[in-house]
Amino acid sequence: AQKITQTQPGMFVQEKEAVTLDCTYDTSDPSYGLFWYKQPSSGEMIFLIYQGSYDQQNATEGRYSLNFQKARKSANLVISASQLGDSAMYFCAMRGVLYNQGGKLIFGQGTELSVKP
Amino acid sequence: DAMVIQNPRYQVTQFGKPVTLSCSQTLNHNVMYWYQQKSSQAPKLLFHYYDKDFNNEADTPDNFQSRRPNTSFCFLDIRSPGLGDAAMYLCATSSREAYEQYFGPGTRLTVT
Repeated sequence: AQKITQTQPGMFVQEKEAVTLDCTYDTSDPSYGLFWYKQPSSGEMIFLIYQGSYDQQNATEGRYSLNFQKARKSANLVISASQLGDSAMYFCAMRGVLYNQGGKLIFGQGTELSVKP
Repeated sequence: DAMVIQNPRYQVTQFGKPVTLSCSQTLNHNVMYWYQQKSSQAPKLLFHYYDKDFNNEADTPDNFQSRRPNTSFCFLDIRSPGLGDAAMYLCATSSREAYEQYFGPGTRLTVT
């Protein structure tokens, strides 16, 4: 069975500093995708970054980068130069197999990030 | 802009009174999903449509039903809401080949 684990229920970071949010995963599928989503208090899920299991390089999107260590089954999110607007819940997710018709997302429990001014 | 829209954003219903939540998309995606997210928990998939084919998750209660009359619209029906059904309901879409799921803003359901 596929599983995502986020061990940090809450994190604090000073504005303008970098922060790493941890994510480990478990799957027996040779091909999979890993995602990070941001969920502000308003509730919408905002896609941040994607990493494919066969991608040779770590994914980057602006201030977001994904530290992908396949052998360790980890996919940590790094946010550089934190901003007050980064305060939110962050979910790591894995794309599961869904009858080969797209893929459902299996989410971790989330990490609540608070950015201090 | 292409997007996923959910109405209403906030819904209050009474215990046992049927309620319908709505989702529409302008992305022309094949797949539409409904997730339930209870307070301080991760989203959990209830079911999904691939085109007109309905696929229920094994642990989704019978109280939850869904309709997809066309590509653009998908509805979540809760036949007899209980207090435990109070949650955020998230609609998402994806094309078959896409890596990313696009989420709507969610509907926060309160059961009194």
